[in-house]
Amino acid sequence: SAVISQKPSRDICQRGTSLTIQCQVDSQVTMMFWYRQQPGQSLTLIATANQGSEATYESGFVIDKFPISRPNLTFSTLTVSNMSPEDSSIYLCSVRTGYNSPLHFGNGTRLTVT
Amino acid sequence: EDKVVQSPLSLVVHEGDTVTLNCSYEVTNFRSLLWYKQEKKAPTFLFMLTSSGIEKKSGRLSSILDKKELFSILNITATQTGDSAVYLCAVEINNDMRFGAGTRLTVKP
Repeated sequence: SAVISQKPSRDICQRGTSLTIQCQVDSQVTMMFWYRQQPGQSLTLIATANQGSEATYESGFVIDKFPISRPNLTFSTLTVSNMSPEDSSIYLCSVRTGYNSPLHFGNGTRLTVT
Repeated sequence: EDKVVQSPLSLVVHEGDTVTLNCSYEVTNFRSLLWYKQEKKAPTFLFMLTSSGIEKKSGRLSSILDKKELFSILNITATQTGDSAVYLCAVEINNDMRFGAGTRLTVKP
């Protein structure tokens, strides 16, 4: 399976600031996704990162708050903008190497907003 | 509305015990069911199930899917403290994954 490197591993940020999370994959993948896991909750899909075009956002998530870049098939970034304490979560990059393959996750970013 | 329900939400056992974790689902356009183990942040893949009645096994872990009754179980035999984690069930619907709330397993020495 693909090796997925995500950074930063964790960060503590001030309210109102923004944080950009990077995801690097060791091979080209078609499908790349960003998930959020709020404390005590399960995983929720934020968006599908599309190479060369705008990301596809799930209901409840908007581009102004969570801008996503995907310049090529091995790299993506997620920015959490104008943060509030409610954004404190684990953010996970994930990939699928094919339609019949499982989802694999990066090591995650634990974000705390004070 | 698509639903994935895991039970129990939490479980405490002692080393050597056998545990069974449950995942039931009500979804449209089912494609597959997946199990993950989440110890810290990143869920790690355990099993992917697409066909009913075929057991998948990896060491002390095994899983099976029942597409008629719409559930899956994950069995762990001879549990060890290293099995302590949150176990997540996910159902693939078209190209989307819907995750359950997870079962938090604690294995005491």
